[in-house]
Amino acid sequence: DTGVSQNPRHKITKRGQNVTFRCDPISEHNRLYWYRQTLGQGPEFLTYFQNEAQLEKSRLLSDRFSAERPKGSFSTLEIQRTEQGDSAMYLCASSLTGTYGYTFGSGTRLTVV
Amino acid sequence: DQQVKQNSPSLSVQEGRISILNCDYTNSMFDYFLWYKKYPAEGPTFLISISSIKDKNEDGRFTVFLNKSAKHLSLHIVPSQPGDSAVYFCAASMGGSQGNLIFGKGTKLSVKP
Repeated sequence: DTGVSQNPRHKITKRGQNVTFRCDPISEHNRLYWYRQTLGQGPEFLTYFQNEAQLEKSRLLSDRFSAERPKGSFSTLEIQRTEQGDSAMYLCASSLTGTYGYTFGSGTRLTVV
Repeated sequence: DQQVKQNSPSLSVQEGRISILNCDYTNSMFDYFLWYKKYPAEGPTFLISISSIKDKNEDGRFTVFLNKSAKHLSLHIVPSQPGDSAVYFCAASMGGSQGNLIFGKGTKLSVKP
């Protein structure tokens, strides 16, 4: 297992289009997290799953955003009707219950033009 | 309002000397603190953590100090090496949820040979 994998690494999309990102966590990790990072800021929490259950969502996660983790394995983050303000690095992380030190992926950089 | 603050955007240190990175927080409910390191084009990497019941945690060249009364923590790197050059993020969690880390904006450390 080579760590947390995120695809694509980069995505450029036109405003108003829908985009979907994928995250493959470390296989034995039951928790999966999504964060967003904009320039000059630290990562901001979006949502997290324990197995397939979505346990917490940030108010940053507007109704244009949806995340899924079917079967408790990989996860997808979809943004509908993208806006320029959605341009950011989207980071996925995973961990085992009871541990705080998440393992982050390298992120998906989204640019909305 | 930022709950986790890293007031120094950057720090420059000579190789072999001590690097001290500082972090302040406002929420007394935080009970776990972490430091992450981030290289360009990579996701953050967990470095070291400390529970609020402790005031010090050491791991090799890295030591984290927690002063709860001052709501302040610091990361000491001794001796500093050029490979330590990266952005360091302080993060905090509350209530044992392990679901939501709140990050500071980061401090860019440059270690000069």
